[in-house]
Amino acid sequence: GAVVSQHPSRVICKSGTSVKIECRSLDFQATTMFWYRQFPKQSLMLMATSNEGSKATYEQGVEKDKFLINHASLTLSTLTVTSAHPEDSSFYICSAPKTGKPPYTQYFGPGTRLTVL
Amino acid sequence: AQKITQTQPGMFVQEKEAVTLDCTYDTSDQSYGLFWYKQPSSGEMIFLIYQGSYDEQNATEGRYSLNFQKARKSTNLVISASQLGDSAMYFCAMREATQGTYKYIFGTGTRLKVLA
Repeated sequence: GAVVSQHPSRVICKSGTSVKIECRSLDFQATTMFWYRQFPKQSLMLMATSNEGSKATYEQGVEKDKFLINHASLTLSTLTVTSAHPEDSSFYICSAPKTGKPPYTQYFGPGTRLTVL
Repeated sequence: AQKITQTQPGMFVQEKEAVTLDCTYDTSDQSYGLFWYKQPSSGEMIFLIYQGSYDEQNATEGRYSLNFQKARKSTNLVISASQLGDSAMYFCAMREATQGTYKYIFGTGTRLKVLA
C-alpha cells in the first residue's frame, strides 16, 4: 500500500485560534487529496477536494473561509481551521488517491483529533 | 438519497468463524469502483479490498473476499477465519466520476466485534 502521513495527530487549542493540519503523500505524488471530517461513531463526511495548483472544491455546506485548503505541492496539502470554535472539534482525516492497481484507491492519513476548548 | 447503504450497525462473530458484512449501492454510472476499509479504534482507515464494476470475478485478498452481485448492486464483504484483531468499524465506499474528477462516498459503517 501507499503511505500518507498527517500532522499533528492530536491538537488542543483555545477558541478563536487557528489550527493547521498537514497531509503528505510519502511515496507517491498526488494531484488530488481529500479532506474528511468524522464525528464519533459516524461515517466520513467529505469536506473538500484539494487540487494541486488550483483552488479546492468544497462540498455543500462547508465554509470556505472557515476551512482553508492549500495544495502547495504534489505531496502536500494543508487544512487550516480558522478561528476555531468548540463545534469544530472533530476527527479530521485526509486521503490521497493513487493511480495504478487497484485504480484510484484512496490511502488515508492516520487522522488528526482536534479539540477546541 | 443514500448511495451506499450498510444496514448492519453492529455485528458479532465468534473467533475463527466467517462473517459477512452487507453493502448495497446506488449509481447510474457504468464504470465505478467499490472499496472496503477497516477503521480500528486508533482511527486510521485501512484499505482492504477493491471491486471494479467491470470485474467479472469476485475480488479476494487473503481472508477478505467480496460477494459482488452487480444486478442487485451489492458488494458484501466476507471475512473468513475471524481473528480478535478484526474487531473494528468497516466502511463500504464507492468511487464515482464527477465533474472530471473522482469522489468517494462512504456508507455509515458496520462495527464488528470478534468474540473469543
